[in-house]
Amino acid sequence: SQQGEEDPQALSIQEGENATMNCSYKTSINNLQWYRQNSGRGLVHLILIRSNEREKHSGRLRVTLDTSKKSSSLLITASRAADTASYFCATDGVNDYKLSFGAGTTVTVRA
Amino acid sequence: EAGVTQFPSHSVIEKGQTVTLRCDPISGHDNLYWYRRVMGKEIKFLLHFVKESKQDESGMPNNRFLAERTGGTYSTLKVQPAELEDSGVYFCASSLRHQETQYFGPGTRLLVL
Repeated sequence: SQQGEEDPQALSIQEGENATMNCSYKTSINNLQWYRQNSGRGLVHLILIRSNEREKHSGRLRVTLDTSKKSSSLLITASRAADTASYFCATDGVNDYKLSFGAGTTVTVRA
Repeated sequence: EAGVTQFPSHSVIEKGQTVTLRCDPISGHDNLYWYRRVMGKEIKFLLHFVKESKQDESGMPNNRFLAERTGGTYSTLKVQPAELEDSGVYFCASSLRHQETQYFGPGTRLLVL
């Protein structure tokens, strides 16, 4: 069954604006990871946040994790055209090494 | 440091034929994973190797799929015979330790006609 679900499914913003997408999951996790996939390309790892962490930053990316609500958010600040991609959250369980992916959020950044 | 590589990048075959996909993980990564995304659906786990041993193959759809990792380096995923529903993108990933960051390859796009 699908573990992670991203919201919204699609997002269109103007260059320079911020983009926020959310991920909800069902069972207890060890880590939550965010990936980006540009059209027709592979998955690029963006950030990993552990279950005992609440917030993490990497460049223009900010990830939060709320284990009580079983949800995470990814914020991209000052978006650029190159940020146009699909974004996926993926979780691994406490005793489980495989990643469970959501369906992804498609982000379009308009110039 | 080279990333995860996969070969071929694309494969178009007819139903009933055999296809073998190859994955070269990041050097030194004992953990190797196969995932796939079939049309319109989410990325799904297929199996996990630790070195040459299959740790978890719970995601393998049926016995037409065979994965190997002889010597604990590169891995192959063979589909024999291929069916139409096998079309999709097959991703390989590797990690240094389990439950650490999984680095993905570019994927192999398989089309079964």
